[in-house]
Amino acid sequence: GENVEQHPSTLSVQEGDSAVIKCTYSDSASNYFPWYKQELGKRPQLIIDIRSNVGEKKDQRIAVTLNKTAKHFSLHITETQPEDSAVYFCAARVNNDMRFGAGTRLTVKP
Amino acid sequence: NAGVMQNPRHLVRRRGQEARLRCSPMKGHSHVYWYRQLPEEGLKFMVYLQKENIIDESGMPKERFSAEFPKEGPSILRIQQVVRGDSAAYFCASSPDRGGSFEQYFGPGTRLTVT
Repeated sequence: GENVEQHPSTLSVQEGDSAVIKCTYSDSASNYFPWYKQELGKRPQLIIDIRSNVGEKKDQRIAVTLNKTAKHFSLHITETQPEDSAVYFCAARVNNDMRFGAGTRLTVKP
Repeated sequence: NAGVMQNPRHLVRRRGQEARLRCSPMKGHSHVYWYRQLPEEGLKFMVYLQKENIIDESGMPKERFSAEFPKEGPSILRIQQVVRGDSAAYFCASSPDRGGSFEQYFGPGTRLTVT
């Protein structure tokens, strides 16, 4: 089955800096790659997603890139703010299955 | 359009009791997924259901755990004879029926504590 690895597990940045989180997947048939943000004690919230026929997608300060050949995808957050502090999960979907990375705890220091 | 609903939000059970977790998908969604999240860990897939059908239960323990999504009513995740290791947050997610739509929207979760 699909295996998703996510790095780093923790990330601390200064407010205003950029943050990058990387994920790799194993199944070349995976065709959908969402990113979720989970604040403490709350549900995961979909923040951005990308499909396998697209290489990059941007939504304001958030962007995701996909390299199908290398089977990795990344989340980029620019001009980070303290409210960006949360755990971020990547995921990859193949057929009916969605597999999640272990998460990255992002801390943005004011 | 209400989001994904889960109840109860918190559930305390003694070892050996049964736990029943309910999930009502968003309106227009007939695909339901259950995930388990241990403290400080990621989301582990358990089971994927459509109305009256289990599509994929590869992530669900073979014993004590079962799931259903009847024609009417919410999806239910049932854990029999709970043990301390079952303590976790259980999230369900639903996705739309329209073809090619993959987005999953999560409910608020049920936090199960086994004492």
